[in-house]
Parts: sequence; C-alpha cells; structure tokens
Amino acid sequence: EPEVTQTPSHQVTQMGQEVILRCVPISNHLYFYWYRQILGQKVEFLVSFYNNEISEKSEIFDDQFSVERPDGSNFTLKIRSTKLEDSAMYFCASRDTQGPETQYFGPGTRLLVL
Amino acid sequence: AQSVSQHNHHVILSEAASLELGCNYSYGGTVNLFWYVQYPGQHLQLLLKYFSGDPLVKGIKGFEAEFIKSKFSFNLRKPSVQWSDTAEYFCAVPGEGTASKLTFGTGTRLQVTL
Repeated sequence: EPEVTQTPSHQVTQMGQEVILRCVPISNHLYFYWYRQILGQKVEFLVSFYNNEISEKSEIFDDQFSVERPDGSNFTLKIRSTKLEDSAMYFCASRDTQGPETQYFGPGTRLLVL
Repeated sequence: AQSVSQHNHHVILSEAASLELGCNYSYGGTVNLFWYVQYPGQHLQLLLKYFSGDPLVKGIKGFEAEFIKSKFSFNLRKPSVQWSDTAEYFCAVPGEGTASKLTFGTGTRLQVTL
C-alpha cells in the first residue's frame, strides 16, 4: 500500500533557527496538507496546497511558515525562525481527487525547539 | 464552520469490555463525520466515515459509529475491546472548499488493560 513518508522523524533545534520538514506524498495525489499536534493537544490544521499554491491556511500559519513543492515528489514545510511553542509533531497528508477523509497521513516529524 | 467536540479525554477499560466514545458536532448543513485512530508511534488512520444513508456505519477492526441527528452525535462503539485497541481516537469533520481540511476533536486516549 502506498504511504506518505516524512523526514526527519525527529529534529531538535535551537530557538531562532530555521527548520525544513520534508514530506513525500503519495505519487498520484493532488492535495497536500500540513497539520501539527502539540503534546497533549488535538491535531490542528496548518495549511493545504493544491495546484502549486496554498488553498487555505490557518491562523497558526503566519509569516514564519512557508510551504513548497520544489519538485514532483517533495512537499516541504519551512519554519523560518523557530519558537519554543513550535515544538510539536508535524504531520503531512495527501489525497487524490476523492473526498477529504481519504487523506493519507505520514508518520510525523517530532520537532523540539530548545 | 463545522466543529466537533469529544468529552472523554482518557478512558481505561479492561479487555472484553464494551466501548463507547462520544463525539458531538456543531450544526452546519450537510454533515460528514469521521473517526480516526492513532496507535502509539503510528500515523493517523481512518476508522470509519459517515456521509449519508444508514446512520449506523461500520469500520475496520470491529468498530462502528451511529449518527444521531437529534443529538448531534456520532459516537464510536465497539462491543468488546482488545489490548491492541489502545490508541488515541479522534473525531473529525471536513471543512468546506475543494481542498477540505480536516478539523479534529481533542481526542480520547483509550487504554485497554489485560
């Protein structure tokens, strides 16, 4: 079964540093998403991406965040200057043209900002 | 926008006990509802979904959920839980628009003891 993959699985960084989280969505999927889950809290939507542009973003997704699909396979989330409160598990998801529940989630990247 | 709420934050059951996890949704026209599961260290997986028709929907691993419109509820049930059902369970609702993000409830951590 096809899978969404994410790298790295864990990342530790210093406050103020830039991080790039990488995702390889399922190959024929067209919609891409980033969510995050702060420890002990619910999964929160960050951004959706379709047709090489952002479709929707949450209030969390401020100017410090950006997404890119630099080639045909990768989908990246960049945090320009990390803050302590960015520490969370970040999930990538993708889906094809079927319904929203058919989003396939990656295993997540655990980001720790010190 | 539609939202969901889960009131059980942590549930502990013995094996073979019956399970019911609550999920209530806010009114918002057409109702689509999902339950996702996150096993320890794994990614989110779709358990079951409701779009229309039979209000009792069956999912994987013996789970089912009943959509009760009068109560704005979509509770998850399983007649007899197993130790392997230990996981976090999230109710979710899709957003509007083509890219349709998912909005999750706060989750219920289920711990099944032997």
